[in-house]
Amino acid sequence: DAKTTQPPSMDCAEGRAANLPCNHSTISGNEYVYWYRQIHSQGPQYIIHGLKNNETNEMASLIITEDRKSSTLILPHATLRDTAVYYCIVSGRDDKIIFGKGTRLHILP
Amino acid sequence: DTAVSQTPKYLVTQMGNDKSIKCEQNLGHDTMYWYKQDSKKFLKIMFSYNNKELIINETVPNRFSPKSPDKAHLNLHINSLELGDSAVYFCASSPGYAGEQYFGPGTRLTVT
Repeated sequence: DAKTTQPPSMDCAEGRAANLPCNHSTISGNEYVYWYRQIHSQGPQYIIHGLKNNETNEMASLIITEDRKSSTLILPHATLRDTAVYYCIVSGRDDKIIFGKGTRLHILP
Repeated sequence: DTAVSQTPKYLVTQMGNDKSIKCEQNLGHDTMYWYKQDSKKFLKIMFSYNNKELIINETVPNRFSPKSPDKAHLNLHINSLELGDSAVYFCASSPGYAGEQYFGPGTRLTVT
């Protein structure tokens, strides 16, 4: 079973920042937080991951709370192409990843 | 220049047939995976290979047999296909650790 809880769907206006929350209250000290997304009919796409510190790459930023029980994925300037299902996954470094139901993000023009 | 490629993209076949799906990655990764995504869009891991060695084998019927001829290839052979095998099958690969995986475009299998 997935160890995370995400809202089933969210809307965001094009050009605005999309903030996707994830709860993972049972996360262990050696488990990472990973984010993926799946655009319709395509393979899942790795976005970003982190352990304790906030992380940023060319796609997104990951903010992890100090107690590590929740995190937020931030897409700074959402475009229509960011419409997808976003998956938050908690997993140890060498463990299999388990996809939950994710959040369906709609970017509104 | 595709990092993870799968063939074929679409596969339509009849019940009882045997079919194979091929996967190749040119990322130099050590680990490869097969996932199944059913009509309800749940994505579940089936197998994982590390350096040609099976390391994850989920509860999958033994009609499904993965084969890894080398580190860059992981093929999926399915015997005696059933209607319930209809799904999209994704191949993925990762570097040393499992969390950062790169997925192929998927193979949509339809069993009639």
